[in-house]
Amino acid sequence: DQQVKQNSPSLSVQEGRISILNCDYTNSMFDYFLWYKKYPAEGPTFLISISSIKDKNEDGRFTVFLNKSAKHLSLHIVPSQPGDSAVYFCAATTYNAGNMLTFGGGTRLMVKP
Amino acid sequence: EAGVAQSPRYKIIEKRQSVAFWCNPISGHATLYWYQQILGQGPKLLIQFQNNGVVDDSQLPKDRFSAERLKGVDSTLKIQPAKLEDSAVYLCASMLAGVSTGELFFGEGSRLTVL
Repeated sequence: DQQVKQNSPSLSVQEGRISILNCDYTNSMFDYFLWYKKYPAEGPTFLISISSIKDKNEDGRFTVFLNKSAKHLSLHIVPSQPGDSAVYFCAATTYNAGNMLTFGGGTRLMVKP
Repeated sequence: EAGVAQSPRYKIIEKRQSVAFWCNPISGHATLYWYQQILGQGPKLLIQFQNNGVVDDSQLPKDRFSAERLKGVDSTLKIQPAKLEDSAVYLCASMLAGVSTGELFFGEGSRLTVL
């Protein structure tokens, strides 16, 4: 039972345009959501997060939107840069779950120059 | 600040053999996790330690996998005997205790190939 799903395995965008990565979850107990970025042969690195009490969190070029009623979140990257090419994982947890993260399957983003 | 260290980076074994992976977390991080990442999938939690105690190992296949963190710092993950489906990257992550968010710091991973 996949509680966190990223339905698009890959996404290709042109440099300078917006990248939108989507994530859906089924467990209504999740109250904290994170995005991780992974380059080949490296471990995932934390990118941005959002609490369920918010519907938007912004950090520079990265913005995460949360729609609790739809159990959906998205990561927007504007403008996209070639260095953003990586695999992006959505993850979810609950505050009282010892920070045990449930990850989605990842979306490979390719930003073309 | 040094990151999470893992070794070996790569290991190739035959099925039914055994293998062990080592992790040294970021200094001062009391919480340590082992994740399994199969190709094309997201990381899946195997076990979580708080200092040298196990917090959750409900997804650890205990008939073949074992993990320990004897002194509350380094940790080892062992697989014995290995199966073909154990081929994956084993990621170690750590976090400061008392942090309520899920911002984990991951190592580079140990890639296991079982032939």
